[in-house]
Amino acid sequence: QSVLTQPPSASGAPGQRVTISCSGSSSNIGSYAVNWYQQLPGTAPKLLIFGNDQRPSGVPDRFSGSKSGASASLAISGLQSEDEADYYCATWYDSLNRYVFGTGTKVTVL
Amino acid sequence: EVQLVQSGADVKKPGESLRISCQGFGYSFTSNWIAWVRQMPGKGLEWMGIIFPGDSDTRYSPSFQGQVTISADKSTNTAYLQWSTLEASDSAIYYCARLDSRGYGTWGQGTLVTVSS
Repeated sequence: QSVLTQPPSASGAPGQRVTISCSGSSSNIGSYAVNWYQQLPGTAPKLLIFGNDQRPSGVPDRFSGSKSGASASLAISGLQSEDEADYYCATWYDSLNRYVFGTGTKVTVL
Repeated sequence: EVQLVQSGADVKKPGESLRISCQGFGYSFTSNWIAWVRQMPGKGLEWMGIIFPGDSDTRYSPSFQGQVTISADKSTNTAYLQWSTLEASDSAIYYCARLDSRGYGTWGQGTLVTVSS
């Protein structure tokens, strides 16, 4: 059972905005930067957001991240069909000795 | 280009042992931590542990401590995940991932392990 809680699903029509929450505690999200990973069906995960709100090169600016206290969020604006995927938040805990993924959220484009 | 290439799918019987591999290309293998991540069928990602190939410093998630062994061979730029006694519940896809300044920025393609009698 993960210590980072996400809603199991989220959905939106093409062009809409979808937000995914990630709830943790002071010992994980409250203390360390949050990453977000996108996993397209049948593929390996891909780093989508690092350092709470930074995008690796090549990631569209439709994806944005934020963090407040012990919670974080991922927003996808201008939703596109290719955004259908599972999304995971993640961060460190235990003095950087361990890493944890969130429970995951499946995004569906209606 | 930084790449992690994992060994192919494997089918084993309960009680057997197994070692899967993850070979790094395009960077100094001893300079970055490598993690192993489990994904059981239809489930989420689970961080199993991490190794620094430079000195073999290894950390495990409490959930996997004592259940698997993570190791690395600097001479072949390869990290390993091994089991001494497999169980059916070990059936999953296992990913290796390279830790960089941003997070886990490079992933292997995954290794499907099936344990069935």
